[in-house]
Amino acid sequence: RKEVEQDPGPFNVPEGATVAFNCTYSNSASQSFFWYRQDCRKEPKLLMSVYSSGNEDGRFTAQLNRASQYISLLIRDSKLSDSATYLCVVNLDGSGGYQKVTFGTGTKLQVIP
Amino acid sequence: DAGVIQSPRHEVTEMGQEVTLRCKPISGHNSLFWYRQTMMRGLELLIYFNNNVPIDDSGMPEDRFSAKMPNASFSTLKIQPSEPRDSAVYFCASTIGLAGGSYNEQFFGPGTRLTVL
Repeated sequence: RKEVEQDPGPFNVPEGATVAFNCTYSNSASQSFFWYRQDCRKEPKLLMSVYSSGNEDGRFTAQLNRASQYISLLIRDSKLSDSATYLCVVNLDGSGGYQKVTFGTGTKLQVIP
Repeated sequence: DAGVIQSPRHEVTEMGQEVTLRCKPISGHNSLFWYRQTMMRGLELLIYFNNNVPIDDSGMPEDRFSAKMPNASFSTLKIQPSEPRDSAVYFCASTIGLAGGSYNEQFFGPGTRLTVL
């Protein structure tokens, strides 16, 4: 089983729709979680952190379910500019106090006019 | 402030040739990461340095790949000899040193798109 798994999509949704992505992780000791966004032929950039209690940033809501070992990203009122690949990131304490950061392969979102 | 700088942005080479990719991290950042991204395998961590010391190189595919960080402002990833399956986008990222229990945002460079014919 992969350490971090995402549905690659693509998710094709109309403007204004609500869309949600999930990401599952295999190591229950994982400590922190994030969503990055990657535009076509660009580098990944941090979108938001995922907190245990869930957190919201404008139209974006992130949730963590430790029991089922998944995180989610909800996008409300989708805009054309939301079209991108969304990468899930899981962080685990590695040996010697250093972090082990694992990226998912990403979920592609295409918002259609 | 300049972000992470990578060069070259594009590289086309023939199988068997040596390829050197370069990275300048953000000033003040003391952790540096090299990733490889392909459609099939996504973003894979190759190696990461903390304070110029390689900490985890378990992702380096084989002996053909080597990475160095001679000082805090420069790192190289070398492939010798290159093979067509090495074709990918190679990203360098930097962050302020990782302490136990915390994660600092990684800032990525624009990547080097490598094609090995």
